[in-house]
Amino acid sequence: AQSVSQHNHHVILSEAASLELGCNYSYGGTVNLFWYVQYPGQHLQLLLKYFSGDPLVKGIKGFEAEFIKSKFSFNLRKPSVQWSDTAEYFCAVSFSGGYNKLIFGAGTRLAVHP
Amino acid sequence: KAGVTQTPRYLIKTRGQQVTLSCSPISGHRSVSWYQQTPGQGLQFLFEYFSETQRNKGNFPGRFSGRQFSNSRSEMNVSTLELGDSALYLCASRNQGLEQFFGPGTRLTVL
Repeated sequence: AQSVSQHNHHVILSEAASLELGCNYSYGGTVNLFWYVQYPGQHLQLLLKYFSGDPLVKGIKGFEAEFIKSKFSFNLRKPSVQWSDTAEYFCAVSFSGGYNKLIFGAGTRLAVHP
Repeated sequence: KAGVTQTPRYLIKTRGQQVTLSCSPISGHRSVSWYQQTPGQGLQFLFEYFSETQRNKGNFPGRFSGRQFSNSRSEMNVSTLELGDSALYLCASRNQGLEQFFGPGTRLTVL
């Protein structure tokens, strides 16, 4: 079955530290990849997306992600986190033929301490 | 442009009852998807509607159903509620691109 794995369930960082959140999926075909963020009390917002082309994609708020097809991975990165990045981060994948069905990872709760 | 709206925002029901949740997509969006979010299972896909037709369905029992109207607004219904149905139900709409825009959700509590 198609699935998405996020390696870290909880991450605690100090401000200015670098962030990398892992995401792997299980599917050998064409995929569309997303990272969503859910700030406390707010709804899911799209951080960035990959459909095709340059595997390094840049999103909002200084986030970027790299698609490595050979590793079935789409890791999220940010060189320097801020306290306002405290949120839950979800990796999601849609598979060819799946129309709009997004399969989400379990999420990573990020806490950034000042 | 207004975002995805969901009503009601909060609901409390008792076991055995049924509930209807409503979703109004972003103007011009014809696709609406529903997701269930729980602490234990995370975000799970329920179903997707496009032009009033269900195009895809997740692995949920038949107690979960939905529909879409000609104005693209969508409703989902859960019959014979169980305690495990307590969750945040999210609606997402999509235009011709692949990006889905999520609403704030309806928090359902089943007592």
